[in-house]
Amino acid sequence: QVQLQESGPGLVKPSQTLSLTCTVSGGSVSSASDYWSWIRQPAGKRLEWIGHIYTSGSTNYNPSLKSRVTISVDMSKNQFSLKLSSVTAADTAVYYCVRGRNYYNMDVWGQGTTVTVSS
Amino acid sequence: SYELTQPPSVSVSPGQTARITCSGDALPKQYVSWYQQKPGQAPVLLIYKDSERPSGIPERFSGSSSGTTVTLTISGVQAEDEADYYCQSADSSGTDWVFGGGTKLTVL
Repeated sequence: QVQLQESGPGLVKPSQTLSLTCTVSGGSVSSASDYWSWIRQPAGKRLEWIGHIYTSGSTNYNPSLKSRVTISVDMSKNQFSLKLSSVTAADTAVYYCVRGRNYYNMDVWGQGTTVTVSS
Repeated sequence: SYELTQPPSVSVSPGQTARITCSGDALPKQYVSWYQQKPGQAPVLLIYKDSERPSGIPERFSGSSSGTTVTLTISGVQAEDEADYYCQSADSSGTDWVFGGGTKLTVL
C-alpha cells in the first residue's frame, strides 16, 4: 500500500524559495502511469493543483504558477520534490503530495504540511 | 483558464439523498473525480472516471455524467457524510488538472 509523507520547512520568508520533499513508501516513483503531484490549499479555500511529474520525467504545471514552479524526482531516494520561488503571503497553505493516476484521479494523498510565508 | 463550477453548499436531512453538481465545458470529453474532505484531513477519493468507486468507498456514493454536468449522489445521507466535496478533472487538452470550488454538505 503506497504511502506519501511530506517534509520541509514550515516557515519561509517572502521572496525566498519554498522547498518540499515527498517520500514514497510501499511503492516506487518509477511506476508506470503514475503522476506524482503537488496540491495546495490555503486555509478555508479550495484545493489548487500545482503540477505533476510523470513517470517519463515530463512535467505539467498550473499556468498561474508555471513561472515559479519546479517538480522533480529522485529515483535513488524514491522521492519527488517541489520548489516554488519568489513566494509571498499568498503562497501560505497546506501542501499535499499526491499520486495521480490515469483519467485524472488522485488516489493516494500525504497528510499535508503547513507552509507559512512570513518574515 | 479552465474552471469547474460547484454550488457552494447543499443541505439535506439524514436518510435523504444529496446531489452535488459540477459543470465544465470540457466535461463531455474528460473524466471527473470526486473527493471528500473533512476538517483537518486530507481529501479522500470517492469516485473516478465519472462513476467508478474505489474499493472501500460505500455504495451510497455514486457518480453520473450528462453533457457538461456531472453529479455526485449520496443516497441515505448519514451524519458522518458532512464534509466538503470537490470535483476534479482536466482541461480539453488533458494538460491542466483543475478542481471545482468545493461544496459544503450540511446534514441537518
